[in-house]
Amino acid sequence: GAVVSQHPSRVICKSGTSVKIECRSLDFQATTMFWYRQFPKKSLMLMATSNEGSKATYEQGVEKDKFLINHASLTLSTLTVTSAHPEDSSFYICSARELGNTGELFFGEGSRLTVL
Amino acid sequence: AQRVTQPEKLLSVFKGAPVELKCNYSYSGSPELFWYVQYSRQRLQLLLRHISRESIKGFTADLNKGETSFHLKKPFAQEEDSAMYYCALNAGGTSYGKLTFGQGTILTVHP
Repeated sequence: GAVVSQHPSRVICKSGTSVKIECRSLDFQATTMFWYRQFPKKSLMLMATSNEGSKATYEQGVEKDKFLINHASLTLSTLTVTSAHPEDSSFYICSARELGNTGELFFGEGSRLTVL
Repeated sequence: AQRVTQPEKLLSVFKGAPVELKCNYSYSGSPELFWYVQYSRQRLQLLLRHISRESIKGFTADLNKGETSFHLKKPFAQEEDSAMYYCALNAGGTSYGKLTFGQGTILTVHP
């Protein structure tokens, strides 16, 4: 199956700094990617829908100025956590849908962010 | 708004026993339901889609619109089935891919 890769897999940063997480579709093109947040032993919460060439669509309650999403190409979406706080520490997961395909979604391996 | 409920956080069975992971949903339209599995230290991967009506790794799930359920079943559990299982709903249409996940059920199959 298709592969979605996230980088970095783990990142530790200090409060107040910004962190960028990349999500790449390695062998297919994705007009749409989705960013989720997963709390320990809890469900995945959809944060935003990343659309290639246009602004991301954020879910209710997600601060768009804090979680900046950019989908600059058909294979790359980035999530930047700005002015990170310890409460932003979490597991961030992206998924991607193949171009023109309403079939399977493919998930990245996730990125664990720890803010000190 | 859609909602997915997995009432069991933890489920333990012995190898060879039947297993059923419950999933109920709430959605006013015609949903598409999925089961995803996450093995230890691995990424989330698709196990089943209700529209496929297929059996993967011995697991089956039937959409019951009357009971708004999509329970996952396997007649004989194996140790390698131990994992976290998520039921998910997609509202469809232009929102395709925006999944609403249940809370997840950790299945442990004992030898």
